[in-house]
Amino acid sequence: AQSVTQPDIHITVSEGASLELRCNYSYGATPYLFWYVQSPGQGLQLLLKYFSGDTLVQGIKGFEAEFKRSQSSFNLRKPSVHWSDAAEYFCAVGVSFGNEKLTFGTGTRLTIIP
Amino acid sequence: EPEVTQTPSHQVTQMGQEVILRCVPISNHLYFYWYRQILGQKVEFLVSFYNNEISEKSEIFDDQFSVERPDGSNFTLKIRSTKLEDSAMYFCASREIGVGTDTQYFGPGTRLTVL
Repeated sequence: AQSVTQPDIHITVSEGASLELRCNYSYGATPYLFWYVQSPGQGLQLLLKYFSGDTLVQGIKGFEAEFKRSQSSFNLRKPSVHWSDAAEYFCAVGVSFGNEKLTFGTGTRLTIIP
Repeated sequence: EPEVTQTPSHQVTQMGQEVILRCVPISNHLYFYWYRQILGQKVEFLVSFYNNEISEKSEIFDDQFSVERPDGSNFTLKIRSTKLEDSAMYFCASREIGVGTDTQYFGPGTRLTVL
């Protein structure tokens, strides 16, 4: 069965600083990988996704993520964070074929300080 | 842009009561899901639904839970006799499948509080 690990429970960065959120997955074949963002009291918004092809994927709000098969990682990055980026970020993995369910990591809470 | 909608946004109920959570998936999607998120925890898969039947369910989805697509637009989750531990945010999702894409889009969630 697939699994996702987000090793950082909480990260604090200064506004304007760069950001990297870590995600490691476990799955025997090529996964589908996703990052979702959840603002307080809100639903899950899709930031970006990886299925195949270029391992560097661009998403909304200036985010990008890089799939590294050798490291089983799909880290999320942003060169310069804004106060509005404060939220909970979830990495998720889906299987290429079959039961289609998403398995989520435990999330990383991002705090932005002025 | 089409989006998944859910009603109500917040439901408060007494333990032992039945609740029905409603979702309207994106209209041309064929796969539907329910997930839940207990406060402070990760999002967990409950059930997937395709072609008017359950395609997979988790251990959480016991006999107290059921899903239905009563018409061409709504997708419901029923909890027959709620327990305190059912208190959570429940998310509906619908899935877009196409060439080069396989993505689930989530609704805003229903916060269920069982007293």
